[in-house]
Amino acid sequence: DTAVSQTPKYLVTQMGNDKSIKCEQNLGHDTMYWYKQDSKKFLKIMFSYNNKELIINETVPNRFSPKSPDKAHLNLHINSLELGDSAVYFCASQPAGLGGNTIYFGEGSWLTVV
Amino acid sequence: AQTVTQSQPEMSVQEAETVTLSCTYDTSENNYYLFWYKQPPSRQMILVIRQEAYKQQNATENRFSVNFQKAAKSFSLKISDSQLGDTAMYFCAFMRGGNQFYFGTGTSLTVIP
Repeated sequence: DTAVSQTPKYLVTQMGNDKSIKCEQNLGHDTMYWYKQDSKKFLKIMFSYNNKELIINETVPNRFSPKSPDKAHLNLHINSLELGDSAVYFCASQPAGLGGNTIYFGEGSWLTVV
Repeated sequence: AQTVTQSQPEMSVQEAETVTLSCTYDTSENNYYLFWYKQPPSRQMILVIRQEAYKQQNATENRFSVNFQKAAKSFSLKISDSQLGDTAMYFCAFMRGGNQFYFGTGTSLTVIP
């Protein structure tokens, strides 16, 4: 039983296309994240949602739009894909409560823009 | 702003030996949490160990332990009896405020047989 699942795991697409990556967690967590890991392995937060509400929105091009239909899902839609968008995108979730709860990552979605 | 610094981009260790990975962080907060995550070539992010800042006792998890120096804002990871499966990227992470989570740039560790 996968706790945080992302689909697709691999995605190769052409520049200019629009694509989505889906994320679902079955842990009952309130907070979900999207992280981007580039070719240098830098792991950078993109968005954070708490109970369907946007909490963190780092400096990310507005071509990236997160959507949270319910607290178990946080999807990432990317418009007009660019070569620099090639990266591994990680979804993660975190339980509510006092700080110290760790975050649980999905397996990552490898996006390659050609 | 919170920053997490890992000054060792790459390290190597002989199998069965001990290695220490460094991490420093910058914060004005008093209550926060620190983590080490492991990322093997599969890219899966795996929690290794966690430390609460209000606890003076260093966290340990089997062969993994930390040296937490709050005043120095230092949080190093010691891996004892290194195994080939320990080869991975290791990320230090800082968390405050419930969902403000920040990662360092990572240290690539290679265990040599």
